[in-house]
Amino acid sequence: AQSVTQLDSQVPVFEEAPVELRCNYSSSVSVYLFWYVQYPNQGLQLLLKYLSGSTLVESINGFEAEFNKSQTSFHLRKPSVHISDTAEYFCAVISDTGRRALTFGSGTRLQVQP
Amino acid sequence: DVKVTQSSRYLVKRTGEKVFLECVQDMDHENMFWYRQDPGLGLRLIYFSYDVKMKEKGDIPEGYSVSREKKERFSLILESASTNQTSMYLCASRVRRGLVSNQPQHFGDGTRLSIL
Repeated sequence: AQSVTQLDSQVPVFEEAPVELRCNYSSSVSVYLFWYVQYPNQGLQLLLKYLSGSTLVESINGFEAEFNKSQTSFHLRKPSVHISDTAEYFCAVISDTGRRALTFGSGTRLQVQP
Repeated sequence: DVKVTQSSRYLVKRTGEKVFLECVQDMDHENMFWYRQDPGLGLRLIYFSYDVKMKEKGDIPEGYSVSREKKERFSLILESASTNQTSMYLCASRVRRGLVSNQPQHFGDGTRLSIL
C-alpha cells in the first residue's frame, strides 16, 4: 500500500522569502509523484510531476521539487514566493501496481504575508 | 485543455434524501474518479472507474455508489444522505496509457455539499 505524509499543515512565510513544503511517501515499489495546488474555491491544478529521469523537476511559475529515493521524499521549494502563491498544496503518489488512483497527503496551506 | 465539469458548485440536501452528483469530462478519458475533501484529511478516494460500466471501490465507499453508463459522465450517488457526508466532493478524469498510471488526473472545481 502507498501513503503520503505532509508534515506541515500550515506554512506562513513573508513575501519574497524562500519556502519548502515537505512530502514523504511510503511505497514498496517504484512510484510516480505529483504536486497539485488548490486556490480558494477551485479544484486542484497540477503543479509538477516526477515520472522518471532527472530527479529535479520544475513548474512554469518557479516551483521545483526533488525526488529523493533514499529518503522517500519529494519536497517542494520556491526561492522567492509571491502573495499569489497563497494556496493549499497537495502531494500525491501512484504506482503501476496495486490501486491505479492517486493517494494524496493531507495538504499544506501556504500563507504568504506582505 | 481538459475540461471536467461538476454540475453544482453548492448543494444543500436533507438527511435521508437520495443525492446525485454529476461529473462530465470532454476529453474522452477512460478513467474517472470521485474524491471527498475534508480539512486536515486531504483527498480521500470514494470510487473510481476504469471505463464505461467498470468501477472499483476506493478507501471510503460506504454510503456511496456510482454510475458510469457513458464514457464522459460519472455520477456519485448518496443512497441516504447523512450529516457526516457534508463535505467537498471532487471529480477527476485521466487518460489511460496501457498499464502505465503516470498520466495526471484533471479535476473539476468541486461540489460543496451540505446535509442538514
